[in-house]
Amino acid sequence: SQQGEEDPQALSIQEGENATMNCSYKTSINNLQWYRQNSGRGLVHLILIRSNEREKHSGRLRVTLDTSKKSSSLLITASRAADTASYFCAIIIQGAQKLVFGQGTRLTINP
Amino acid sequence: GAVVSQHPSWVICKSGTSVKIECRSLDFQATTMFWYRQFPKQSLMLMATSNEGSKATYEQGVEKDKFLINHASLTLSTLTVTSAHPEDSSFYICSAREPGFSTDTQYFGPGTRLTVL
Repeated sequence: SQQGEEDPQALSIQEGENATMNCSYKTSINNLQWYRQNSGRGLVHLILIRSNEREKHSGRLRVTLDTSKKSSSLLITASRAADTASYFCAIIIQGAQKLVFGQGTRLTINP
Repeated sequence: GAVVSQHPSWVICKSGTSVKIECRSLDFQATTMFWYRQFPKQSLMLMATSNEGSKATYEQGVEKDKFLINHASLTLSTLTVTSAHPEDSSFYICSAREPGFSTDTQYFGPGTRLTVL
């Protein structure tokens, strides 16, 4: 499969702690994106990191990309209850014009 | 960011009937829209790419005669699930990208929950 694979599948932490989710993929990519999905809702675009970038920040989010290992990580610092959601990585495969999603990580922040 | 809406947000229908789902880009014109299906606790699977004024491109394994896509204007794409069966029950999500931009950023609709009895 060319899909990104994420781990862990589920993560439960206490409010205030940091949450780290990982994504691995198999093909060459133009960029990698992270999305959030609240239960039963649409997707919200969080951050995009291009293949020539190694790290990117947006507020409490930090994304890294290691193209040699074909992996990315999403770090959410100082988690809040409102961060409870599913998080998906998605890739644009070189030569294609479509997003391919990973299986997602279900994150639960306990108050 | 750009806004994409879907209608209806949920629908319950009897087996054998057809259901139409609308996807609209509210503040931009979208030459390309995408339709995804998501089963509970699973990821999004791309069903088809909808191009304004031309036939949709379906992913492998998706029946084009069952999932009819029409992209008649730059702000509206519709997905019709024909002769729906219980196994078609799922969460259907559309997305759109603005013309002139790559597929890098897509704007997603809120999804439509389809339940077929």
